Amino acid sequence: EPEVTQTPSHQVTQMGQEVILRCVPISNHLYFYWYRQILGQKVEFLVSFYNNEISEKSEIFDDQFSVERPDGSNFTLKIRSTKLEDSAMYFCASIRGLGETQYFGPGTRLLVL
Amino acid sequence: DQQVKQNSPSLSVQEGRISILNCDYTNSMFDYFLWYKKYPAEGPTFLISISSIKDKNEDGRFTVFLNKSAKHLSLHIVPSQPGDSAVYFCAASANYGGSQGNLIFGKGTKLSVKP
Repeated sequence: EPEVTQTPSHQVTQMGQEVILRCVPISNHLYFYWYRQILGQKVEFLVSFYNNEISEKSEIFDDQFSVERPDGSNFTLKIRSTKLEDSAMYFCASIRGLGETQYFGPGTRLLVL
Repeated sequence: DQQVKQNSPSLSVQEGRISILNCDYTNSMFDYFLWYKKYPAEGPTFLISISSIKDKNEDGRFTVFLNKSAKHLSLHIVPSQPGDSAVYFCAASANYGGSQGNLIFGKGTKLSVKP
């Protein structure tokens, strides 16, 4: 069964460093999403991406964040200058079309020291 | 601003009995509702969904009920099994009106099914 994959599974970084989180969505899917879950809190929407551009973004997704689909398979989330409060699980999700179920990757646990 | 609320942080049920997880929402634009199950250190796994045009959807042991007038949905698991022990998230989206289907999650309910 096709699945969303994410790398790395864990990332530890120093405050102020740049990180890139990678996702490979399901191959025939067209809409892509990033979510995050700070420890003990709910899963929060960050950004949606369709047709090579951002469709929607939340207040969390400030100018320190960017997303890219550099080729036909990868979907990346970049945090330019990490802060302590960026420590969280980051989940990628994808769907084939609107109104369909979002399938989530296993997540990347980011720890900013 | 909690558009999706799960007021019970935890629920404990005996194996074989029914588990009922509840969820309330405030945004009347939501038209699609989902339940996800999540184990520690894993991504949310889709369980079951319901469109706002329906009031019930059933899949095996899992049934979701939607009461639009009350802005309430519930997930019933019958019979509950120890393997069902996980955190259950209610999520909602508005797939029209310009929204791109991003999900709004509740805080989750930790279900423990005891043998």
